[in-house]
Amino acid sequence: GESVGLHLPTLSVQEGDNSIINCAYSNSASDYFIWYKQESGKGPQFIIDIRSNMDKRQGQRVTVLLNKTVKHLSLQIAATQPGDSAVYFCAENIDSGGSNYKLTFGKGTLLTVNP
Amino acid sequence: EAQVTQNPRYLITVTGKKLTVTCSQNMNHEYMSWYRQDPGLGLRQIYYSMNVEVTDKGDVPEGYKVSRKEKRNFPLILESPSPNQTSLYFCASSLLGAKNIQYFGAGTRLSVL
Repeated sequence: GESVGLHLPTLSVQEGDNSIINCAYSNSASDYFIWYKQESGKGPQFIIDIRSNMDKRQGQRVTVLLNKTVKHLSLQIAATQPGDSAVYFCAENIDSGGSNYKLTFGKGTLLTVNP
Repeated sequence: EAQVTQNPRYLITVTGKKLTVTCSQNMNHEYMSWYRQDPGLGLRQIYYSMNVEVTDKGDVPEGYKVSRKEKRNFPLILESPSPNQTSLYFCASSLLGAKNIQYFGAGTRLSVL
């Protein structure tokens, strides 16, 4: 089965609240973990990544946390806005020495922001 | 504008009729890849290319072909489409030095009857 999965398929939040999207992984050999956002009718878009030797990384309104002990990844979105409504995918990248740059994607979480 | 362009966006065809989905990027990216997206299965890689004339299979290559004659183009070819290839297809590209940041096209929704 897939090594990257998600705890919750859907998440509904109020505008202005913080959102937390979770992801579990099973492959300890992953070098990077990445979050992508897919809006309706569009292709996935890169949000942020984190290297496996880090436990936290912050971007603009987003923070990714990595807990290697329990193999858990989360994406926190501060002050969620209607434009954040989308499907969010976690993905992992195993650096196999250049033989393939494959991202293994999870199944996605649908985030709905209510006004 | 930096982008990955796929054509067509929508396609309905019949079993066995050869088709090509084109993909072009204007960012001079070395790496290009095709994915299919199916409900409940997420994104799965079909084929990828590390550079011109260098292609290899991804996780679900059966029934597909690709070519990379030019750096900017990476067409996906279905020689004899079957209904199980009905899906949403995405082309993506990236720099080899920034492999986590893949740029995706808008998608091609294919229905094989």
